[in-house]
Amino acid sequence: AQSVTQPDIHITVSEGASLELRCNYSYGATPYLFWYVQSPGQGLQLLLKYFSGDTLVQGIKGFEAEFKRSQSSFNLRKPSVHWSDAAEYFCAVADSSNTGKLIFGQGTTLQVKP
Amino acid sequence: EAEVAQSPRYKITEKSQAVAFWCDPISGHATLYWYRQILGQGPELLVQFQDESVVDDSQLPKDRFSAERLKGVDSTLKIQPAELGDSAMYLCASSLAVSHSPLHFGNGTRLTVT
Repeated sequence: AQSVTQPDIHITVSEGASLELRCNYSYGATPYLFWYVQSPGQGLQLLLKYFSGDTLVQGIKGFEAEFKRSQSSFNLRKPSVHWSDAAEYFCAVADSSNTGKLIFGQGTTLQVKP
Repeated sequence: EAEVAQSPRYKITEKSQAVAFWCDPISGHATLYWYRQILGQGPELLVQFQDESVVDDSQLPKDRFSAERLKGVDSTLKIQPAELGDSAMYLCASSLAVSHSPLHFGNGTRLTVT
């Protein structure tokens, strides 16, 4: 069965610093991968997705992610973090049943220091 | 931009009582999902609909939970009787009936069972 692991439960970075959030997946075939962001008390908003092709994908709000098959990873990056980026970030993989169902990681909480 | 509507935003209920949540997906989205998100964890799928039909309810505790989407548009999720362990955020999402179309989430219903 597919699974997603986000090794870091909580990360703190200073405003203006670079950011990398880790995501590892378990999936036999080519995965469909997503990153979502959730602000407190809100639903999830799609940041970016990877289906195929270029392994570096660009998303909204200046985020990007790189798919590395050899490492089973799909890490999220941002070159310069803004205070408004403080939120919870979820990595997800599409279920192999091809129904559209997503399997989510446990999430990483990002705190931004002024 | 069209949104997934959910109500109520917050619900406090006593254990053993019945509670219901409502979701109106984005117009034209044939696929509807109910996810449960326990504090500090990622969302987990409870039930998935394609139009009015259930596609996946393998993780729905059917002794106390029920879900319906009678006309293939809006949906209701019910819990009867509620238990303390049901306290969580209940998220509704919808997507186009296209393989791996991104999920669009509502803002959720925060349920507290006392």
